[in-house]
Amino acid sequence: QKEVEQNSGPLSVPEGAIASLNCTYSDRGSQSFFWYRQYSGKSPELIMSIYSNGDKEDGRFTAQLNKASQYVSLLIRDSQPSDSATYLCAVNHEDNDMRFGAGTRLTVKP
Amino acid sequence: EAGVAQSPRYKIIEKRQSVAFWCNPISGHATLYWYQQILGQGPKLLIQFQNNGVVDDSQLPKDRFSAERLKGVDSTLKIQPAKLEDSAVYLCASSLAAGGPSDEQFFGPGTRLTVL
Repeated sequence: QKEVEQNSGPLSVPEGAIASLNCTYSDRGSQSFFWYRQYSGKSPELIMSIYSNGDKEDGRFTAQLNKASQYVSLLIRDSQPSDSATYLCAVNHEDNDMRFGAGTRLTVKP
Repeated sequence: EAGVAQSPRYKIIEKRQSVAFWCNPISGHATLYWYQQILGQGPKLLIQFQNNGVVDDSQLPKDRFSAERLKGVDSTLKIQPAKLEDSAVYLCASSLAAGGPSDEQFFGPGTRLTVL
C-alpha cells in the first residue's frame, strides 16, 4: 500500500508565527517528496521538492525529510494571511506512482 | 512561458450523459497526467502519458473513462456515461522529462464537473 497521511486540520496560526505541516508515508521505496499549495477553487502549485534526508530551505519555507521515520514536513516561517490555503503532500515512488495526501488546511489569522 | 491549458473550466451534465475535457501541456513537456480531485481529497492519478504512450492507467475506470494523446501534445479525457460520483475537478498536469520520480509536475486550472 502506498498511503500518504496528513492531518486535515484546520491548522490555525497567528500572523508572524511558524506553521508546521506534517506528512507520513507508508512505502519505504518512496523517492521524491513534494509540497503543493492549493488555494480554494484553484489548482495545486508546487512550492517545494525534496529528495534526500535533511532540510531544504527556500525563502520562508523549509522542507524536512526523514526517510527512516517515513516523515516529511513543511515549515512556514513568518506566516502571512496570504499563506492561508490547503497544503498537499505528494510522494512519488520507485515506479513513478505519485500519491497525494488529502491536504492540511492552514489559516493564518492577522 | 505559458502554463498548462485546460477547457472547459466548468461543466454541468446529467447522469448518463457524456463529457470530454481537453488539456494542452506546457510546450516541450513530454509527460502528461490526468488527475481527479474530489472535494476535500487530494488529487488521484487517473492516467499518465509519456509522449503519446500510456505509462500508467491502473486507476482509470476503464468501463467509462477513456483518454488519448494522439500526437504526443494535447490530450482529451472522456467520461461516457457519467455517474453522480464523477463530480469532481479534473486536473491536467505536465512534466518536462521522462516522468521519473523526481519530475516536477505543473498543474492546469482544472475542469470542475458537476453531474446532476
